[in-house]
Amino acid sequence: DAGITQSPRHKVTETGTPVTLRCHQTENHRYMYWYRQDPGHGLRLIHYSYGVKDTDKGEVSDGYSVSRSKTEDFLLTLESATSSQTSVYFCAITPGLNEKLFFGSGTQLSVL
Amino acid sequence: RKEVEQDPGPFNVPEGATVAFNCTYSNSASQSFFWYRQDCRKEPKLLMSVYSSGNEDGRFTAQLNRASQYISLLIRDSKLSDSATYLCVVATTSGTYKYIFGTGTRLKVLA
Repeated sequence: DAGITQSPRHKVTETGTPVTLRCHQTENHRYMYWYRQDPGHGLRLIHYSYGVKDTDKGEVSDGYSVSRSKTEDFLLTLESATSSQTSVYFCAITPGLNEKLFFGSGTQLSVL
Repeated sequence: RKEVEQDPGPFNVPEGATVAFNCTYSNSASQSFFWYRQDCRKEPKLLMSVYSSGNEDGRFTAQLNRASQYISLLIRDSKLSDSATYLCVVATTSGTYKYIFGTGTRLKVLA
C-alpha cells in the first residue's frame, strides 16, 4: 500500500471555527489531491497540487484553501467551517499524470 | 451535465451472474480511464486501468470506446465479495491534472 496518511481520522467542530486537515505521504509523489465524498455526489475534487507551492482549484473549492510547502504534506483548510462542509474527505496521490491514484483512509468531519 | 456519469444502481444480481456497468464522459480530451472499487466507508481502491484495446483481469473486463466516450466494466461469475460500489474515473491531463469521478454504481451480489 502507498504510504499516505490523513489526520485527523475523525473531527467534530463547530460552525465558524477554522479546521485544517493534513495529508502526509512518504512516496515522494508529485501530485496530490483533496476530494470530498457525500451521498449522491460521489467524490468531488476540491483542490489539487502538481508540485511544491503549485496548486489549483477543483470543482468544489469555495470555502477551502490549500497549501503545499513541501512534497510530503498537503494541507486542506476550512477557514470558517459550515455545516455544508460536513463530509468525508479523502486525500489521493499519484506519481505522474495518467497514473493511478492512491488514497488515504479518509477524514470524517462533522460541523455542528 | 456532469463530466462523468454512471448509473447509480443498485444492481442486485445472484452469485454466478454476469453484470456490466457503463460510464460516459463528456471531455473528449480525457486521456486515462480507471475503475475503482469502494467498500462501505472505506477509501477507493484501484480495480483496473482501462486501455484503448480493452483489457482483462481474471473475471473483470474493461473496455473503452473513445468515439462514443464511454467505458465499461464486465464482471463474470459474480461473487458475494464483489458487492461494493464501482467508481469510474477519468483523468484529463491536457493543461490540467484532474481526475474526475463518477458517482459510482452499487453492486449487491445475492446468495
